[in-house]
Amino acid sequence: EVQLQESGPGLVKPSQSLSLTCSVTGYSITSNYWGWIRKFPGNKMEWMGYISYSGSTSYNPSLKSRISITRDTSKNQFFLQLNSVTTEDTATYYCARCYRYNLGFAYWGQGTLVTVSS
Amino acid sequence: DIQMTQSPASLSASLEEIVTITCQASQNIGNWLAWYQQKPGKSPQLLIYGTTSLADGVPSRFSGSRSGTQYSLKISRLQVEDIGIYYCQQASSTPFTFGSGTKLEIK
Repeated sequence: EVQLQESGPGLVKPSQSLSLTCSVTGYSITSNYWGWIRKFPGNKMEWMGYISYSGSTSYNPSLKSRISITRDTSKNQFFLQLNSVTTEDTATYYCARCYRYNLGFAYWGQGTLVTVSS
Repeated sequence: DIQMTQSPASLSASLEEIVTITCQASQNIGNWLAWYQQKPGKSPQLLIYGTTSLADGVPSRFSGSRSGTQYSLKISRLQVEDIGIYYCQQASSTPFTFGSGTKLEIK
């Protein structure tokens, strides 16, 4: 069974970097597509980006050059880094695996709330 | 970016009632449309992919359809466990985008 688990700080100061880890069990991250999605207070959902089975990445242009998604295949983990955060980045962050590309996200982590505040 | 206009924003319906939620895509996305259900305190769950295909374990009272660039999710007989927020998502091209959500309650 595929399981995903996010981890990382729940509180980040403005202008600092947000770093999250997604640990995956039951499936290799060298297959399929792995994404980060966030849900803002008020229920808006935003796809942030993904890393593919080959290590290629795709990012939401709205995040410009602030975002980076990387991976460690030896630990079966992938990572999110979001730089220069503001209070607007306060959200619940989810990691997820595509069912198949173009077919939505079939497996999700439980989500982690990240608050940006001084 | 492709915009997904979802309606209604909220919906209150009776048990056993038929419920329909719609999403209008701002351009052609073919059949690359997914629906999710998010129950309170839980992660989103994939209900429908490829516009009409039911994800594993999803009850058959859920169904998806398409007319042009309008997509619909139908719950044929509303049950108590169906309460939550429903989202559509286009998976045609990046950036993948979501509808604004529909909060479903029992009347």
